[in-house]
Amino acid sequence: RKEVEQDPGPFNVPEGATVAFNCTYSNSASQSFFWYRQDCRKEPKLLMSVYSSGNEDGRFTAQLNRASQYISLLIRDSKLSDSATYLCVVNMWGSYIPTFGRGTSLIVHP
Amino acid sequence: EPEVTQTPSHQVTQMGQEVILRCVPISNHLYFYWYRQILGQKVEFLVSFYNNEISEKSEIFDDQFSVERPDGSNFTLKIRSTKLEDSAMYFCASSELTGSKDGYTFGSGTRLTVV
Repeated sequence: RKEVEQDPGPFNVPEGATVAFNCTYSNSASQSFFWYRQDCRKEPKLLMSVYSSGNEDGRFTAQLNRASQYISLLIRDSKLSDSATYLCVVNMWGSYIPTFGRGTSLIVHP
Repeated sequence: EPEVTQTPSHQVTQMGQEVILRCVPISNHLYFYWYRQILGQKVEFLVSFYNNEISEKSEIFDDQFSVERPDGSNFTLKIRSTKLEDSAMYFCASSELTGSKDGYTFGSGTRLTVV
């Protein structure tokens, strides 16, 4: 079983739509969770950390479900500029290795 | 905003040659990483570095690869005897702590093309 799994998509949505991605992780010892955004041929950039209680940053909401071992990212009122690949990153406690998912591609169209 | 700097942005090399990819991590960060991403594929961990030594490395990071922190600012990845399959984007990253909520800051990458 892969350590971090994501639906590769693409998710093709109109402007203004709400879209949600999930990411599952296999290691129950995982402690830190992040969503990164990667534009084509660019570096990953931290979008938001995911806290146990869930957290929101503007149009973006992240949730963690430890029992089912997944994290989610909700994007409200999608903008054209949200088109990118969204990477789920998981870190095990005491590990120096952040593990990346393959990414979910989002395309927002007019 | 502090950033991780990588040079060169693009390197073309002949198969069998050695290349050195350079990175300047954020100055107060303590943990350094190299990742690679083959076109169209996922970001893959190569190695992490802390306190002037390798802390973890992946199966990809074999004897062909080495890392060094030659001075207080640079962090380099050396690839000896490059192969065609080494062609990829190589990202350097750094973090203040490992596993902290601040995550990891990536450089803009070096695109390595082996011909």
